[in-house]
Amino acid sequence: QQQVKQSPQSLIVQKGGISIINCAYENTAFDYFPWYQQFPGKGPALLIAIRPDVSEKKEGRFTISFNKSAKQFSLHIMDSQPGDSATYFCAASMDRTSGSRLTFGEGTQLTVNP
Amino acid sequence: DGGITQSPKYLFRKEGQNVTLSCEQNLNHDAMYWYRQDPGQGLRLIYYSQIVNDFQKGDIAEGYSVSREKKESFPLTVTSAQKNPTAFYLCASIARVPYYGYTFGSGTRLTVV
Repeated sequence: QQQVKQSPQSLIVQKGGISIINCAYENTAFDYFPWYQQFPGKGPALLIAIRPDVSEKKEGRFTISFNKSAKQFSLHIMDSQPGDSATYFCAASMDRTSGSRLTFGEGTQLTVNP
Repeated sequence: DGGITQSPKYLFRKEGQNVTLSCEQNLNHDAMYWYRQDPGQGLRLIYYSQIVNDFQKGDIAEGYSVSREKKESFPLTVTSAQKNPTAFYLCASIARVPYYGYTFGSGTRLTVV
């Protein structure tokens, strides 16, 4: 019940294209859904996050779409750039309960070709 | 600058050895976490601590131990009982209020030689 499933495992996009990464969860008690970006040899950094009371959140070129009934959420990167090439992780938590521990997806390695 | 410092960046362990990974934060965060990262498996929780002198096992605690004697510090010991320790280890912390999510350190790459 704690799993978060992420797809695809890897993604190649041309510069200027749209990158889409999907995640699905089982535990309906999850109420906080962040996305993290990780460059090689570095720790993940928070990119954008959403709570289930909204269906979409946009920050610059990054948008989270959230479908509570389907228990799915996705990250859209508009106008993808070579500098966006990184590994992206979705995650979920019950926020301030259970120690706010995050459960992570398996990660998506994004490559944006120039 | 506030942040999380993990050391060393690279660590080599011989068979049968215990090694300790350091994690220090100056963010005044309450909770701290240790994750292990393996290719294709995402991040898996080893141990976490919400307050000083208290910690809980995560999903893969076997072969690891931790302590939380100070708010700023949460060292992880990889013991000889951990049969496959080669991985990238990440430390993270959060503030309770306001909640802005995890801040991660830059990681320690541990290799068994």
